[in-house]
Amino acid sequence: GAGVSQSPSNKVTEKGKDVELRCDPISGHTALYWYRQSLGQGLEFLIYFQGNSAPDKSGLPSDRFSAERTGGSVSTLTIQRTQQEDSAVYLCASSLGAGGQTQYFGPGTRLLVL
Amino acid sequence: AQSVTQPDIHITVSEGASLELRCNYSYGATPYLFWYVQSPGQGLQLLLKYFSGDTLVQGIKGFEAEFKRSQSSFNLRKPSVHWSDAAEYFCAVGSSGGYNKLIFGAGTRLAVHP
Repeated sequence: GAGVSQSPSNKVTEKGKDVELRCDPISGHTALYWYRQSLGQGLEFLIYFQGNSAPDKSGLPSDRFSAERTGGSVSTLTIQRTQQEDSAVYLCASSLGAGGQTQYFGPGTRLLVL
Repeated sequence: AQSVTQPDIHITVSEGASLELRCNYSYGATPYLFWYVQSPGQGLQLLLKYFSGDTLVQGIKGFEAEFKRSQSSFNLRKPSVHWSDAAEYFCAVGSSGGYNKLIFGAGTRLAVHP
């Protein structure tokens, strides 16, 4: 079966522009996570969805970051007014359930803010 | 607060040699522990995980890890390294209840000499 997919694979944008990153989880996976991987900060948790709800948004670095999930499936991470420090690889993961379930990661979206 | 320490940033081994990658964690309760591998330009692939039970866990690609509660460690081992094992390895801890927000170590980059 298909794994977690993310689009675009690469995104170059200018400082101040908004970007949307998409994640398609494995079919039937109810839990979805976003992480960010950057040189300075390593791998950081951003947000967790269970179904369409986000009970934990504690990792979102500022109010410029938001995410939604619709139909218990696709999720979109939006970054408004991008800054150079937003440059990173954004990884999405999904799991069959919540507690204790293995997370399967997508290939990531590499974002470069000029 | 949960944290994960991978003391070795870079490790170089010869092909056929044994390997041990160190991981120490800080967590108040019994953690869920994971090792992931990331090849260049790829997403994260799960090597193995520990939830409970036998403290020696077997994973894919001939890897194993041992959970030692007294040392707060979860070191990854492989008896004979192959050139294809060159990659970056991440240890992670997840909460043992509710959902599984992963906290990652900084990673260990493995180089394999022929």
